[in-house]
Parts: sequence; C-alpha cells; structure tokens
Amino acid sequence: RKEVEQDPGPFNVPEGATVAFNCTYSNSASQSFFWYRQDCRKEPKLLMSVYSSGNEDGRFTAQLNRASQYISLLIRDSKLSDSATYLCVVNMGLVPALIFGKGTTLSVSS
Amino acid sequence: DTAVSQTPKYLVTQMGNDKSIKCEQNLGHDTMYWYKQDSKKFLKIMFSYNNKELIINETVPNRFSPKSPDKAHLNLHINSLELGDSAVYFCASSQVPDNYNEQFFGPGTRLTVL
Repeated sequence: RKEVEQDPGPFNVPEGATVAFNCTYSNSASQSFFWYRQDCRKEPKLLMSVYSSGNEDGRFTAQLNRASQYISLLIRDSKLSDSATYLCVVNMGLVPALIFGKGTTLSVSS
Repeated sequence: DTAVSQTPKYLVTQMGNDKSIKCEQNLGHDTMYWYKQDSKKFLKIMFSYNNKELIINETVPNRFSPKSPDKAHLNLHINSLELGDSAVYFCASSQVPDNYNEQFFGPGTRLTVL
C-alpha cells in the first residue's frame, strides 16, 4: 500500500464549480498534513496546512479525519488560475521529510 | 531576491558522466533537502541536512553524494550517471527540522541522461 494515495484525476471542471479532492495515508503515527500546489514544470508550493479541526482559507477548505486516515481539500467557485496539480503531503513524524502523494490534476475551463 | 535557487536549471549529459547541482537559500533556514521527482511525477525525499549535518539519508545509490559547505548551501554530486537518474531534482529548505514547518522549494533542475 502506498504511503499517501490520491485519485490522480484529471478533474475537468467549469469555472465556478466546486471540486473536492481526497487523500488517504497509511501511517497512523503521521503528525502533520499539508496540501501543496504544483503548476506545470514548476516547484511545489504550500497551499495550506491541514488541522484536525478543519481549516479554511478563502475558497479552500481542508479537512482531516485521523480515525479514517483521510484528508480532503474542497475548492469552491473554481477559477481558471486554480488549474494545477494538488499534492497531498504527510509528515510521518520521525524525521522532517515530507511524503508526497502523486497529485491530483485539476483543469478549470471557461 | 530568489528564496531558494538552483543551478543549473537544465542539465543534459551522457551516461557515465559525473555532474553537480548547486542549491542556495537566502531565507536564513537551518534545514535543507534534496527531492527527486521522476517521470511518473512522484516526489521523493533523498537527503536532508540540518546546519551542515546529515539528518536524512534515504535509500539512494551511493553514486549520489550531498555536500553542505554551510547552512545556506546544499549541493548534490552524482557520479557515473545512469539513464534512470533522469528526473527533476528539487532543493528545499525549512526554518527548523521539525514536522510542522513549511518547506520552500527551489525551481528544480531537470536532468536528462542520454
């Protein structure tokens, strides 16, 4: 079983749509959780950290369910500029190395 | 005023050659990393240094040797390059080596081995 699993997509949605990405992780001892965004041929950049209580940043909402080892990202009112690959990222806790999922590709069209 | 920079951006070389990739960060961070993103887009940790000391060394062939002359620099030297080494190599840094700090990535070095 892969350490971090995501549906690779692609997700093709129109502008204004709401889209949700899911992610599962295998190590129950994982300590911290993130969503990174990677544009084509660019470096990954932190989108948001994910907390047990859930957190929101504008149109983006992240949720964590530790019991199910499940992380989600909800994007509301999609913009063209949201088109990118969204990487689910987990830190297993023993060392400060990020474990990346393969990413989910989002394409927003007008 | 680039935060994490890497050189070169592109590297095309023949099998069997030795090459180096350089990374510098001007964020004042203590911890630096090398990641490899292969053709299937998986991004995987290779090494990490905290204040010039190696703290992470994943299962990487010993043809890969990181060197940190100071905490702002982490270079990657690769001996006897193989076709399978073709990938994008990202350098990253974080303020401290804990599990909660954001990691800042450089723009990547696209290595092609012919």
